[in-house]
Amino acid sequence: TQLLEQSPQFLSIQEGENLTVYCNSSSVFSSLQWYRQEPGEGPVLLVTVVTGGEVKKLKRLTFQFGDARKDSSLHITAAQPGDTGLYLCAGDVRPSSRLTFGEGTQLTVNP
Amino acid sequence: DTGVSQNPRHKITKRGQNVTFRCDPISEHNRLYWYRQTLGQGPEFLTYFQNEAQLEKSRLLSDRFSAERPKGSFSTLEIQRTEQGDSAMYLCASSPSGLGINNYGYTFGSGTRLTVV
Repeated sequence: TQLLEQSPQFLSIQEGENLTVYCNSSSVFSSLQWYRQEPGEGPVLLVTVVTGGEVKKLKRLTFQFGDARKDSSLHITAAQPGDTGLYLCAGDVRPSSRLTFGEGTQLTVNP
Repeated sequence: DTGVSQNPRHKITKRGQNVTFRCDPISEHNRLYWYRQTLGQGPEFLTYFQNEAQLEKSRLLSDRFSAERPKGSFSTLEIQRTEQGDSAMYLCASSPSGLGINNYGYTFGSGTRLTVV
């Protein structure tokens, strides 16, 4: 069973601050994905990383996949209230198509 | 195509009743997944289909749960003899298949919120 641990579980910051969310596992994943979920809605895919050491940038969001493909981080620069939401990491181990999700990080950005 | 559609959005049922949820995936996607999410938790895998074939099932999917995708298009998830512990958000997702399919990620629907009273 692959487990993904996310930290912190809750994060409340002021607009303009930077933050990092971590996703760790003892398992090696084929790929790792980050999603954002708002209340009452399904998760929305932000990014997929597949190569150890890979770094992807999406505007103010920077995603990194660990060299050993066991961990990942999400860094947000100059957070805005619109970034508020539940951030989920999820990994897969081929040949299975299932994704294993972490418990999520609830981010609140205060104006 | 407007994405993954789930119906109903909300369902309140009495304990012991049967409920059925429907998911219409993105038409080009031949993989369809069901997940369950409780408050404060990430989604938990239930089952997935490639076309009409159910390829993988979680141990979470007890005998009271059954999923079908009869023509490889929409899918239904039925829960028989509901229990209070079944209260959760039931999420459906779809993805394309082929080389590197997991690189595409999932497209989720908005979910069906089930409350068993």
